[in-house]
Formats: sequence, C-alpha cells, structure tokens
Amino acid sequence: NAGVTQTPKFRVLKTGQSMTLLCAQDMNHEYMYWYRQDPGMGLRLIHYSVGEGTTAKGEVPDGYNVSRLKKQNFLLGLESAAPSQTSVYFCASSSTGVHQETQYFGPGTRLLVL
Amino acid sequence: AQSVTQPDIHITVSEGASLELRCNYSYGATPYLFWYVQSPGQGLQLLLKYFSGDTLVQGIKGFEAEFKRSQSSFNLRKPSVHWSDAAEYFCAVGAGGAQKLVFGQGTRLTINP
Repeated sequence: NAGVTQTPKFRVLKTGQSMTLLCAQDMNHEYMYWYRQDPGMGLRLIHYSVGEGTTAKGEVPDGYNVSRLKKQNFLLGLESAAPSQTSVYFCASSSTGVHQETQYFGPGTRLLVL
Repeated sequence: AQSVTQPDIHITVSEGASLELRCNYSYGATPYLFWYVQSPGQGLQLLLKYFSGDTLVQGIKGFEAEFKRSQSSFNLRKPSVHWSDAAEYFCAVGAGGAQKLVFGQGTRLTINP
C-alpha cells in the first residue's frame, strides 16, 4: 500500500513550457486535492475533485488545469509555465468529504520555472 | 472568510523542554481543526484533529492540542521534545464543502541538543 505518490519529484521548466504532474492513490479515495506550498504562506488549494470525472476550483486555480479520468489518478497541468508557479506541489486524498476526514498527502513535487 | 494564523514563524527549544505552538483561527461555524507535521523533504502527516467532544485532543508522537472556543485557539503542546520533532508544523481549519482545508503559514521548529 503506497498511499499517495507523485511524479515527478523535481522538475525545471523554462517560461512558457508545459508539463503535467501526476498524483496517484491506492486507497480507493473519492476526494483528491492539489495544493501549492510557498514560503511563509502555508499550503493553498489549487483544484480538487470529489469523484471520478469531476473537478472544481480552489483558492488559487489560475494558470492550472486538472483532470480526474480515473478514480485513482489526479493530474495537474501547467499549459504555459510562469516563474510565479515556482513552488512545491502537494497532492492529497481523502475517503470522503466530511469535515473531520483525514487528508493523506503525497511527498511533493518541487517545480522551478526559469 | 476562514483563516488560520500561526504567530510564530520559527521556534527553537532545547531537547527535553516543553513545547507550545500557537494557532488562532477565524471561522463562523463550529470549526474542524487539524495539526499536520512536515519533516524535511516529506509530505504532511496528520498529528491530531478536533471536530467535537473533549476539547483536549491527543495525537501521535506524544502531542496534544486544546481547543478554546473563547480564544479561537487550537494550540499544540508536547511536554518533552525529542530531536526528531524538528520539522514544520501546520495548523489547518476545515472550511466549506468537500473538506477543503485552509492552512496557517506554518511554524518551523528547531531543537537544540
């Protein structure tokens, strides 16, 4: 049982390039989330999904797109990377959407945009 | 809007000393509160959570937190820290539907030997 995994672990992009971050969970969780972590700002929610085929915007969605074609995978896309998207990206999942549910986090993807 | 404030960006304590990390929240309804820990280069791990009942919550690794509604606080405590507790600690409140979490800025804990 690997929990939540993220691919890649680290990536360097040039401004304007595109890339996709992959998140996979093997816990059969319905809900999945993408956060970004910036120094002094904690984690901020980018997008989330309440089930296969559904996605919704979080607090900072601009410049990102997501897809949840399979229940176990949640993809985060950057169509045209900008230096402001340099950050550490975390994926998380939870069994349900009730407020007391625990979110399980992946190890993160460090992205540098030059 | 919901918000979480962790007033201390960085705290240093000696090994064996007691620890208290502060967390203040702003939320109109009954809050669902969490403390997560992030070790260097790792993802976040849940330490404990509060959503109802006893206001003193026990977590993993010897941590506890006390919910004080009158002070809008959810401070994390440990009676005696270990060098392995060095990490960044995040307080969060569950906000709105789909269990969206709003995080504080984090407190980095350094342990002196």
